[in-house]
Amino acid sequence: DGGITQSPKYLFRKEGQNVTLSCEQNLNHDAMYWYRQDPGQGLRLIYYSQIVNDFQKGDIAEGYSVSREKKESFPLTVTSAQKNPTAFYLCASNRAGPYYGYTFGSGTRLTVV
Amino acid sequence: GESVGLHLPTLSVQEGDNSIINCAYSNSASDYFIWYKQESGKGPQFIIDIRSNMDKRQGQRVTVLLNKTVKHLSLQIAATQPGDSAVYFCAENKGGADGLTFGKGTHLIIQP
Repeated sequence: DGGITQSPKYLFRKEGQNVTLSCEQNLNHDAMYWYRQDPGQGLRLIYYSQIVNDFQKGDIAEGYSVSREKKESFPLTVTSAQKNPTAFYLCASNRAGPYYGYTFGSGTRLTVV
Repeated sequence: GESVGLHLPTLSVQEGDNSIINCAYSNSASDYFIWYKQESGKGPQFIIDIRSNMDKRQGQRVTVLLNKTVKHLSLQIAATQPGDSAVYFCAENKGGADGLTFGKGTHLIIQP
């Protein structure tokens, strides 16, 4: 079955450490997205990519970085510059075009220890 | 900025009753809307969508209504069950490359 896989499910980060969240899809979707979700809040866009080797900043990109070297993969790095990284991170993908919804991964919960 | 919002952060209903979750959007150019369901600790799941050339769309136990005049979207869930307990988000596609814009969500609580 096709789907989108995020790993790990839980991640703990020490102060000053960079960590990378994995997102892989086998849906042959062109576009991929990273969102951050805080308790009781909606989804805020971090980065998005419409095609391989191209990505754009979303509303809250500071302290994060991404790459899109392969169509299937869109890893997110949370850098030490992100001062409040504890959150639930969601990856999503969809086909190009205006009438396609997202398929979401199951999320990664990142906690600073 | 965010242009999609929901009227109530929490909605409590009796099991078996019908639920109505509301959403207001501000961008009249938006032409595609989706409702998602998110259970605790999981990623959102697609429930139903509607294009702007429609007023109503029905799925299994769910109906989405779109009122473009007042820029209002609603999700109706018939005969609410315990498994319907979740946070429901509406999302709109404004046509930009940055994809969907999401509201803050409504937490649906089912009372036995």
